[in-house]
Amino acid sequence: DAKTTQPNSMESNEEEPVHLPCNHSTISGTDYIHWYRQLPSQGPEYVIHGLTSNVNNRMASLAIAEDRKSSTLILHRATLRDAAVYYCILPNTGNQFYFGTGTSLTVIP
Amino acid sequence: NAGVTQTPKFQVLKTGQSMTLQCAQDMNHNSMYWYRQDPGMGLRLIYYSASEGTTDKGEVPNGYNVSRLNKREFSLRLESAAPSQTSVYFCASSVGRNRAYEQYFGPGTRLTVT
Repeated sequence: DAKTTQPNSMESNEEEPVHLPCNHSTISGTDYIHWYRQLPSQGPEYVIHGLTSNVNNRMASLAIAEDRKSSTLILHRATLRDAAVYYCILPNTGNQFYFGTGTSLTVIP
Repeated sequence: NAGVTQTPKFQVLKTGQSMTLQCAQDMNHNSMYWYRQDPGMGLRLIYYSASEGTTDKGEVPNGYNVSRLNKREFSLRLESAAPSQTSVYFCASSVGRNRAYEQYFGPGTRLTVT
């Protein structure tokens, strides 16, 4: 199963864009890239996912490198409510998720 | 549409006691999952059910049993609780096993075993 590597923590100023990186150098051609976030004392929340092309939704954008060995979750304007732990996940063939420790995002007012 | 619901929200057990954590989803999803999250850690998969009538072990199944009661409900049982099972337990569901499907998570059950 492909592994992911994320920075432990990042900071952003409120109302500025945030780029959260994820490395997945052992990704296979059929691996989807999922992003989830977990706010304090809550269950994980789906953010976005993609396979090869960049993806946009109301919450965020996902930029996938051409070789697919890395991806970046983009929050266009960080708010205090975006402070959370962000997980980059590559589900295995049974759609089983293996969470690492993710990136803890701090948003500074 | 409640999504994924879990009961109870909190529970304290003594070592050796048993209990069942309940999970239900109202999204007509085929696949359901149980995870645990220890302090400062990511979630780890305990068991999953790809479809009604099937269950399989995940990463950390020891000390747990599961039942997929019907398409909506997936329960997790601790037969003889141990302090090492103190954790937050999350249930999740998805349309199916395809990796293109996102998972929807419940609010969690905080379990303390003394």
